[in-house]
Amino acid sequence: AQKVTQAQTEISVVEKEDVTLDCVYETRDTTYYLFWYKQPPSGELVFLIRRNSFDEQNEISGRYSWNFQKSTSSFNFTITASQVVDSAVYFCALSDNTGFQKLVFGTGTRLLVSP
Amino acid sequence: DTGVSQDPRHKITKRGQNVTFRCDPISEHNRLYWYRQTLGQGPEFLTYFQNEAQLEKSRLLSNRFSAERPKGSFSTLEIQRTEQGDSAMYLCASSLERGGPYNEQFFGPGTRLTVL
Repeated sequence: AQKVTQAQTEISVVEKEDVTLDCVYETRDTTYYLFWYKQPPSGELVFLIRRNSFDEQNEISGRYSWNFQKSTSSFNFTITASQVVDSAVYFCALSDNTGFQKLVFGTGTRLLVSP
Repeated sequence: DTGVSQDPRHKITKRGQNVTFRCDPISEHNRLYWYRQTLGQGPEFLTYFQNEAQLEKSRLLSNRFSAERPKGSFSTLEIQRTEQGDSAMYLCASSLERGGPYNEQFFGPGTRLTVL
């Protein structure tokens, strides 16, 4: 069975601090996909990134960066120079490559960025 | 370019009442998913449609829940005899199966159900 663990329930930082959100996953599949979604107070899930299991290259997009390590089954997300607008709940998710590709989500990490 | 829409956005009902939610996927998306998100948790898969066929149902979907997707377009999710434990955000997502390795799911804004 697939499982995603986000051990950090809530993180509070002051604006301009860097913050890393942890994600650990479990799967028996050799081909799978990992995701990060942002859920602001409005409730809509906003897609941030997708990585496949064969691509361990780290990715940077503006202030966001992702570190994928298959050896530790982790897919961590770092926000550099955090801003108040980054305040939201962030979800890590996992999908297999077969069938209908349902998403399995972690419990989320609430990030509070104060001015 | 419209995204996934859901109606209503909020629903308050009394225990024992029936409720129905609607999801309009992105036009031409043949895959449609329903997820449920309770407070403090991540979304959990409920059911999946390929066109009009309901091909997968989670064990979370009790016999009080029924979902349809007539003609493979919009979908409805009905909950009969609602219970307080049904209070949650119900999220709909759609994707287009293109035969590639992965088909992105696009989420709607959700319907927040409160059962009193």
